[in-house]
Amino acid sequence: DAKTTQPPSMDCAEGRAANLPCNHSTISGNEYVYWYRQIHSQGPQYIIHGLKNNETNEMASLIITEDRKSSTLILPHATLRDTAVYYCIVSGTGANSKLTFGKGITLSVRP
Amino acid sequence: GAVVSQHPSRVICKSGTSVKIECRSLDFQATTMFWYRQFPKQSLMLMATSNEGSKATYEQGVEKDKFLINHASLTLSTLTVTSAHPEDSSFYICSAVTGMGGYTFGSGTRLTVV
Repeated sequence: DAKTTQPPSMDCAEGRAANLPCNHSTISGNEYVYWYRQIHSQGPQYIIHGLKNNETNEMASLIITEDRKSSTLILPHATLRDTAVYYCIVSGTGANSKLTFGKGITLSVRP
Repeated sequence: GAVVSQHPSRVICKSGTSVKIECRSLDFQATTMFWYRQFPKQSLMLMATSNEGSKATYEQGVEKDKFLINHASLTLSTLTVTSAHPEDSSFYICSAVTGMGGYTFGSGTRLTVV
């Protein structure tokens, strides 16, 4: 079973920031938070991952609460191409650690 | 960055035949690969973990004799759907551990069994 819970859907206006929440209250000390997204009929695309510090890359920012029980993915300036299903996943980093996908959150960016 | 190439992207086969799907790591060695299946409007379901040079580990409920996985080299894993039936029609996706703490996914294979 997935270790994360996400709202089923949300929308935002193009050009605005999209803040996608995720709860992972049972996360273990050595587990990372990963975010992937899937555009229809394609393989999942890596966005970002982090352990406890906030992370930023060219795609997004990841804000992890101090107790690590929740996190927020921020797309700073959403575009129509960001419309996708976003998955928040908790996993270790060992060679056989596997990504277990939950239902994800469907983000719809409106013009 | 780490790239995984998956082929074919689409395949239609007749019921009772077998279909092989390939997953190649192009610019890195993938000791471990994963195979997922995704039905319409559902999330990805992990089918099995494939380790180079050893037998795959299947998730509960996945028939190992039906979904044959071979990971004979550090850059290639294959999934063969044997004696395919219409209920096996799905979107199959592979993933590889990149060695940098990340996972990269193939573009998926749409299998339709008629």
